[in-house]
Amino acid sequence: GAGVSQSPSNKVTEKGKDVELRCDPISGHTALYWYRQSLGQGLEFLIYFQGNSAPDKSGLPSDRFSAERTGGSVSTLTIQRTQQEDSAVYLCASSYPLAYEQYFGPGTRLTVT
Amino acid sequence: GENVEQHPSTLSVQEGDSAVIKCTYSDSASNYFPWYKQELGKRPQLIIDIRSNVGEKKDQRIAVTLNKTAKHFSLHITETQPEDSAVYFCAAPDSWGKLQFGSGTQVVVTP
Repeated sequence: GAGVSQSPSNKVTEKGKDVELRCDPISGHTALYWYRQSLGQGLEFLIYFQGNSAPDKSGLPSDRFSAERTGGSVSTLTIQRTQQEDSAVYLCASSYPLAYEQYFGPGTRLTVT
Repeated sequence: GENVEQHPSTLSVQEGDSAVIKCTYSDSASNYFPWYKQELGKRPQLIIDIRSNVGEKKDQRIAVTLNKTAKHFSLHITETQPEDSAVYFCAAPDSWGKLQFGSGTQVVVTP
């Protein structure tokens, strides 16, 4: 079946603008994760959605970052008033209920100029 | 919460030699330990995992060993090939089921 998809694949934006990144998880996956990966760095956890539970937002770096998940499926990560340090690849992953294995999307490369 | 440490951060090996990456974790209740491989410009992909009821698992040239007493697990790659060059991440779940990833190991296999 189809894997995790993300859009756009690349986004270039000017400092101070808002951006929205989209993640479409694998059908049936109730858990959805967002990570940030700066160049040559590891996976920085941002936010975790599990079914209808309140999301775990403990990884969001500032109040400029927010995410929502509509209907338990598609998720949108929003970054307001982008800064140059927000430049990174944003990865989304999903997993089955009660399963640990995460399937990653291809990522969105965000460049803030 | 769970804390995962990974070593080394970089590893250079000659083609045909073995590579070993080690991770330690802090939560003794953790029961699932995956390894992900991320090639340059690509997404991380699961290559092997192990659950706490076994001590070793092999899949062709890769193997993972688990020592629950010492709270560490290792990835072993034998007969390394250039296509093994990538960043490898270990992980372990926290009490909420969320994977905590190690900081990654850059493996470079030189011909």
